[in-house]
Amino acid sequence: DAKTTQPPSMDCAEGRAANLPCNHSTISGNEYVYWYRQIHSQGPQYIIHGLKNNETNEMASLIITEDRKSSTLILPHATLRDTAVYYCIVSRDRGSTLGRLYFGRGTQLTVWP
Amino acid sequence: DAGVIQSPRHEVTEMGQEVTLRCKPISGHDYLFWYRQTMMRGLELLIYFNNNVPIDDSGMPEDRFSAKMPNASFSTLKIQPSEPRDSAVYFCASRTGQGGSGNTIYFGEGSWLTVV
Repeated sequence: DAKTTQPPSMDCAEGRAANLPCNHSTISGNEYVYWYRQIHSQGPQYIIHGLKNNETNEMASLIITEDRKSSTLILPHATLRDTAVYYCIVSRDRGSTLGRLYFGRGTQLTVWP
Repeated sequence: DAGVIQSPRHEVTEMGQEVTLRCKPISGHDYLFWYRQTMMRGLELLIYFNNNVPIDDSGMPEDRFSAKMPNASFSTLKIQPSEPRDSAVYFCASRTGQGGSGNTIYFGEGSWLTVV
């Protein structure tokens, strides 16, 4: 699976949008972009995933560039509870690599009051 | 639905003792994963099962570690004998076997292991 590059840390004011970037320049055509987050002392939590098109759910929006080499996770109105490590992962969703999610170090997002 | 359930949540044991971590995956999920998380190495995949059969155990650190899945609703990760360097948070996770949209992995809350 392709590897990803994320900034080690970011901060954001409460109520503002948090935009977390991710580079995945070696992504292949059948690989999805997944975002998870891990709040301190808890297990990683799925946020969103996408293949080509932008995606939105109740938690966040995912913007994938047309060449698919990078993406941005957007938390539209960050709250203090969004403080967590955010992982961008590229992986196929089937086959022998299923589940072999490489989490890397992620981005520590700190939301300030 | 209940999520992935792990036990114990916390365990402190002495070096040399046997440690058994337990996991109940989400009902209906075909895949079960064991991960380990440390400050030094981050989150690592140890082993995963498909339909109760171990598929890839290349992440298991050494022979002291073993994992079993006797049925679809239960798995164990055993460390014998335990060593201080095994201190970590161990996560169990599960997912369905169907590909496509919405196919994600769900993690338990972890078992915090300290070996002294």
